Amino acid sequence: QLVLTQSPSASASLGASVKLTCTLSSGHSSYAIAWHQQQPEKGPRYLMKLNSDGSHSKGDGIPDRFSGSSSGAERYLTISSLQSEDEADYYCQTWGTGIHVFGTGTKVTVL
Amino acid sequence: DVQLLESGGGLLQPGGSLRLSCAASGFTFSNYAMTWVRQAPGKGLEWVSDIGGGGDTYYADSVKGRFTISRDNSKNTLYLQMLSLRAEDTAVYYCAKESYFDGSGYFDYWGQGTLVTVSS
Repeated sequence: QLVLTQSPSASASLGASVKLTCTLSSGHSSYAIAWHQQQPEKGPRYLMKLNSDGSHSKGDGIPDRFSGSSSGAERYLTISSLQSEDEADYYCQTWGTGIHVFGTGTKVTVL
Repeated sequence: DVQLLESGGGLLQPGGSLRLSCAASGFTFSNYAMTWVRQAPGKGLEWVSDIGGGGDTYYADSVKGRFTISRDNSKNTLYLQMLSLRAEDTAVYYCAKESYFDGSGYFDYWGQGTLVTVSS
C-alpha cells in the first residue's frame, strides 16, 4: 500500500533552516513526490517535484530558499533563511496509476 | 497565468446532491489531467477524483459510486457531480491541474477552493 509518512510538526527560529521529511512506504522507495505549501486560510501551493535521485523542479516563483533532496525512501524539503510567511502546513504527495496519496502534513512554526 | 476558479459550494442536507465547477484559464485545458482534492475542517488534504485529458476517470474509495468527475474541454471547465452526500463529505473542495495528460503526475496549480457543508 502506497503511504507517505510525515512528522506532525517542526519549528525553527526566524532566519534559521528547517528540514522536513516525507517517508515512502516499503516497496515504493523509487517514487517521486511533490511538496505543497498551505499557508493559513489559503489554498495549497505547489513547491516542487522531487525525484528519487534528489533532482527537483520547482513551481513558478518559488524562492531559492526552498530545496529538495532524497535518500532511499526519504524525501526532504529544506527551507533556509526562514521567513514569517513560511509558517504553514507542508504536504508531500505521490501518485500511481489511478491513485494519488498525500502525507498527513507537517506544521512549520517560525519562532 | 494559470487560474483555477471553483464554484458551486453550499450548505445542504444529508442525502442531497451538488455540482461543483472549476473554470480554468492560462493553459491548454485539454492537454492536461485535472483533479479534485478536499480538505475537511482542521484536517489534511484528501484526493477525491481525477480525469485524464482523454477522459479516463479515477476515484477515491470514499466517493466511488456517489461522485462523478467530468470535463468540458470546449468550456475549459471541470465538474464534480456529488450525490448522496454525507456529513463526512463536508470539506473545502479544491480543483488542481495535473502535470501530465494521463493523470499519473503531481498537482502543479491549485484553485482557492469552494466550501461544501453537509448538515441537517
